[in-house]
Amino acid sequence: AQSVTQLGSHVSVSEGALVLLRCNYSSSVPPYLFWYVQYPNQGLQLLLKYTTGATLVKGINGFEAEFKKSETSFHLTKPSAHMSDAAEYFCAVSDTGNQFYFGTGTSLTVIP
Amino acid sequence: NAGVTQTPKFQVLKTGQSMTLQCAQDMNHEYMSWYRQDPGMGLRLIHYSVGAGITDQGEVPNGYNVSRSTTEDFPLRLLSAAPSQTSVYFCASGRLAGTEQYFGPGTRLTVT
Repeated sequence: AQSVTQLGSHVSVSEGALVLLRCNYSSSVPPYLFWYVQYPNQGLQLLLKYTTGATLVKGINGFEAEFKKSETSFHLTKPSAHMSDAAEYFCAVSDTGNQFYFGTGTSLTVIP
Repeated sequence: NAGVTQTPKFQVLKTGQSMTLQCAQDMNHEYMSWYRQDPGMGLRLIHYSVGAGITDQGEVPNGYNVSRSTTEDFPLRLLSAAPSQTSVYFCASGRLAGTEQYFGPGTRLTVT
């Protein structure tokens, strides 16, 4: 089975500062990688995904992530945090099988 | 398109009662899945289906049953509710296994 580790269950940044949310995974085969965002009392919304090709992927709301195979990482970044970015963020991995594996989530707080 | 819909939004059960959580999608997706979300544990896969008539167990299947008689619907049955099943349940669908999943709004279940 896969495992997904999100370092830091809570991250706080000032408005306008860099957002960096970390995700590491274990996989013996090239994975598909995803970041989802969850706003309070809502379902999960896809931010971005990596399947093949360019390792730097851009998503919605100014977020991007880079797949680094040598580090088995897929960290999420945004150059400048906005108050509306406050939410729970989940990293997920699929090994092209039938199951998704989610990390335990990182709660992002944006300080005005 | 309505996307993925779930009913009910909220439910309170007594220990030992049974119920069915409904999930439907109108995107003609082959893959559907059920997750439970508990604080600090991320999302854990309960059951999934790769097409009508085909279901399989995920990480935490005990106490739950599913069936997939049509492409659109994927109900989750709690056979005899227990307090440990208090959680938020999310249904998701995807074009194929391993591709990005689209989530419903969730059902918040409390078992007393």
